[in-house]
Amino acid sequence: KNQVEQSPQSLIILEGKNCTLQCNYTVSPFSNLRWYKQDTGRGPVSLTIMTFSENTKSNGRYTATLDADTKQSSLHITASQLSDSASYICVVSNMEYGNKLVFGAGTILRVKS
Amino acid sequence: NAGVMQNPRHLVRRRGQEARLRCSPMKGHSHVYWYRQLPEEGLKFMVYLQKENIIDESGMPKERFSAEFPKEGPSILRIQQVVRGDSAAYFCASSRGTPLGVNTEAFFGQGTRLTVV
Repeated sequence: KNQVEQSPQSLIILEGKNCTLQCNYTVSPFSNLRWYKQDTGRGPVSLTIMTFSENTKSNGRYTATLDADTKQSSLHITASQLSDSASYICVVSNMEYGNKLVFGAGTILRVKS
Repeated sequence: NAGVMQNPRHLVRRRGQEARLRCSPMKGHSHVYWYRQLPEEGLKFMVYLQKENIIDESGMPKERFSAEFPKEGPSILRIQQVVRGDSAAYFCASSRGTPLGVNTEAFFGQGTRLTVV
């Protein structure tokens, strides 16, 4: 079954600290993996997109890694800010179904001052 | 470019009424996707449309739900005879092309929050 599992479900960190969010997927055949940020009450906004041949991609303080062999990805946030408080969603594209997007349930991050 | 516009942002309907959710894609985008998000859950695919065509409706419930994307005007997600279980956030995304490969970004609207009372 094509699934995307994320951990932890929620996370609280102090402002300025780093954190890493995890994503495991069973989607096959795999096309690409995306990380989105969703603020409360808003639509998801893309952070990174990676193909199977990419191991890492950065977008400012966000760095995503991908291990296509183990089907794992992580999103590392450096020097967290209060505005990083949001849900972070791992999304995998299923090549077999026209690259249909399969969403994880998200990790809710709360950054405290 | 105003981005993907969804309206209304909030919609309250009584059980048995009809709900109409509208989505205007970004300028130049001819592909629209609808997703549903229940509380504490991830977004679930419902339907993918191009202008005047339904390409993939595999995530759409067989009854009461329908979607269209006419040649002119926004895409409409229509829910007839709403029930409490239809209460959710409905998101629309648009893209310039498909399939959603690495060079094809999907941009999301702010969503419509439907509450059935």
